[in-house]
Amino acid sequence: EDQVTQSPEALRLQEGESSSLNCSYTVSGLRGLFWYRQDPGKGPEFLFTLYSAGEEKEKERLKATLTKKESFLHITAPKPEDSATYLCAVQAEGEKGYNKLIFGAGTRLAVHP
Amino acid sequence: EPEVTQTPSHQVTQMGQEVILRCVPISNHLYFYWYRQILGQKVEFLVSFYNNEISEKSEIFDDQFSVERPDGSNFTLKIRSTKLEDSAMYFCASSPGAGIYPLEKLFFGSGTQLSVL
Repeated sequence: EDQVTQSPEALRLQEGESSSLNCSYTVSGLRGLFWYRQDPGKGPEFLFTLYSAGEEKEKERLKATLTKKESFLHITAPKPEDSATYLCAVQAEGEKGYNKLIFGAGTRLAVHP
Repeated sequence: EPEVTQTPSHQVTQMGQEVILRCVPISNHLYFYWYRQILGQKVEFLVSFYNNEISEKSEIFDDQFSVERPDGSNFTLKIRSTKLEDSAMYFCASSPGAGIYPLEKLFFGSGTQLSVL
C-alpha cells in the first residue's frame, strides 16, 4: 500500500536556525514526489516536484532533495513568514492510471523571531 | 496570478440534506480534482475529472457523491445525503495536464468548510 510518513510532526525554530524536514515514502514505482505549503485555513500551495533520486530543487530559503526512499526539505536561515505546515505527497496509481496524490500528515513549522 | 476559486467558504447543513460545493478552476486547465481534509487529519483524494468524465475515484467517493462540469468554467461536488462524517474542508484543485505529468503542478483553492449537524 502506498504510504507517506513525515517527521517531525512539529518543529519550532528560531529565526535563522536552519533545519530539515523528512518525508519517507513507500510507493510502487515513484512517478513524482511533491512538496506543498499549507497555511491555516488555506489550501495547499505548490512548492516543488521531484521525479528521480538525486534530483534537487530550490526556491528562496527552501531546497528539496530526493533519494530512493525519502525526501528532505531543507530550510536555510528561516524567517517567521516561513511558518506553515509543509506537506509531502506522492503520485499514486489508481485503477485508471496515476491520477491521485497521497499526502503525508505534514510537519507544522513555527519560526520565532 | 490565476487561482482556483471555491464557494461558499463555509457551509452548514443538516444531516441528510444535499449540498453542492462549487469551484471555478483555472481557465485552460484540463484536469480537475476534489480533495478533503478532516480536521487534524491528512489531505485525502476524492476524485479526478478529465475530458468530462471521472478518471479516478477513491473509496470515499461512493454513490452519495457526484461531480459535474455543467459549463466551461464551473466544477461542482454534490453530496446527496450528508452524514456527520462528511464534515471536513473540501478542496478543489486543477492542473494544466501538460504532457505525461498531469499532476506536475496542482493548484488548490482555499476550500469550503462543510459542517454537518
